[in-house]
Amino acid sequence: AQSVSQHNHHVILSEAASLELGCNYSYGGTVNLFWYVQYPGQHLQLLLKYFSGDPLVKGIKGFEAEFIKSKFSFNLRKPSVQWSDTAEYFCAVKPLLGTASKLTFGTGTRLQVTL
Amino acid sequence: DTGVSQDPRHKITKRGQNVTFRCDPISEHNRLYWYRQTLGQGPEFLTYFQNEAQLEKSRLLSDRFSAERPKGSFSTLEIQRTEQGDSAMYLCASSYSAGQDIAKNIQYFGAGTRLSVL
Repeated sequence: AQSVSQHNHHVILSEAASLELGCNYSYGGTVNLFWYVQYPGQHLQLLLKYFSGDPLVKGIKGFEAEFIKSKFSFNLRKPSVQWSDTAEYFCAVKPLLGTASKLTFGTGTRLQVTL
Repeated sequence: DTGVSQDPRHKITKRGQNVTFRCDPISEHNRLYWYRQTLGQGPEFLTYFQNEAQLEKSRLLSDRFSAERPKGSFSTLEIQRTEQGDSAMYLCASSYSAGQDIAKNIQYFGAGTRLSVL
C-alpha cells in the first residue's frame, strides 16, 4: 500500500520568505501527485497536480512543485510567501494503474506566515 | 455554488445513537468518495462509488458504517451505534472518470461534516 510522508508538521515564516515543504511517498508504480491546501475555515482545495510530462508543475497563487522520481519526492515551493498563504498543506498520491482510485494523504503541514 | 455540498456541517450526538450524513457531488461527476479526517491527520479514505456501485471500501469502514448512493447522484453515510472514536470530520469528494482522460479525474472536496460524539 502507498504512503505519504510530510516531514514538516508546523512551519513559521515571515512574509517574503521562501517556502519549501517536503513530501515523500512510497509506492513502486506510477502515481499521480497532488498538493491540496486548506485555508482556515475553508474546504480542501487543489493547489497543483502532477500527472506526467514536465516534472516541474505550476499551480495557483505562485506555488510550484517538482517531481523527482528517483527520490520519490514532490516538494512544494514558493519564492515569496504572503500572510494569506497561512493554511494547512496536504500532499497526496494516487496510483495510476489498477482499480484503486483513492487518494492517500500525508499528515499535513501547518504554515503560519507572520507579518 | 456548484461545488460539493455536505449536510449537516456539524453534528453532535450521544454515544450509541445513529447518525446520517449527506453529500451532493458536483452534478456531472460520476465518482463520489468519503474520507475521514481526525485532528492532526490528513484525510483517510473510507469508500468510493462509481455511479451507484460501491467499488472500494477501506478496512477503516467497520460494519457500523454504511454508505449508499442509490441513484448515482447524492450519497449518504450512516454510522450506527456511534462511539467516541468516531468523532472526526467526514469529508466527501467527487470527480469525473472518463476512461483514459485522467486530466479530468481530480477530486473536489466539500466542506465536511464535523461529528462530535459525547
